[in-house]
Amino acid sequence: RKEVEQDPGPFNVPEGATVAFNCTYSNSASQSFFWYRQDCRKEPKLLMSVYSSGNEDGRFTAQLNRASQYISLLIRDSKLSDSATYLCVVNAGANNLFFGTGTRLTVIP
Amino acid sequence: NAGVTQTPKFRILKIGQSMTLQCAQDMNHNYMYWYRQDPGMGLKLIYYSVGAGITDKGEVPNGYNVSRSTTEDFPLRLELAAPSQTSVYFCASRVGGAVLFGPGTRLTVL
Repeated sequence: RKEVEQDPGPFNVPEGATVAFNCTYSNSASQSFFWYRQDCRKEPKLLMSVYSSGNEDGRFTAQLNRASQYISLLIRDSKLSDSATYLCVVNAGANNLFFGTGTRLTVIP
Repeated sequence: NAGVTQTPKFRILKIGQSMTLQCAQDMNHNYMYWYRQDPGMGLKLIYYSVGAGITDKGEVPNGYNVSRSTTEDFPLRLELAAPSQTSVYFCASRVGGAVLFGPGTRLTVL
């Protein structure tokens, strides 16, 4: 079983739509969680951390469910510029950093 | 801070050649990583370091070597390049939980 699993997509949504991604992780000792964004031919960049209480940054909301071992990312009012691959990252300790393979999002005009 | 820097940005190697991918960070981070990303695929960990003088293998270390003589620098050495090493190589460093990536080196082995 993979440490982190994501639906690879692709998700094709119209502008203005709301889209959600989930990511499951297998290590119950995981300590911190993140969502990254990767544009084509670029490096991954931190989008937001994920906190137990849930957190919001503008149109983006991240949630963590420790009991079910998954994290989620919700994007409201999708923009064309949101088109990218979204990676979930799970930190299970000093040397245990796990990346999902990414979910590809395309926002259509 | 310049963050994580990588050189070169692009390189074409012939089979059997060797090269060193440079990586540096100016944030005094202890943890540093090398990943490769093949087209349309996820990141795979090659090597990592938890501090100067300490390195360890990741998921796909074969064909690569690293050294960490200073906190700032973490070069990746390719010996006897093979077509299977054609990829994008990302160096990264970590503070707390979040990882900061360099811009990557695109390597083609022909």
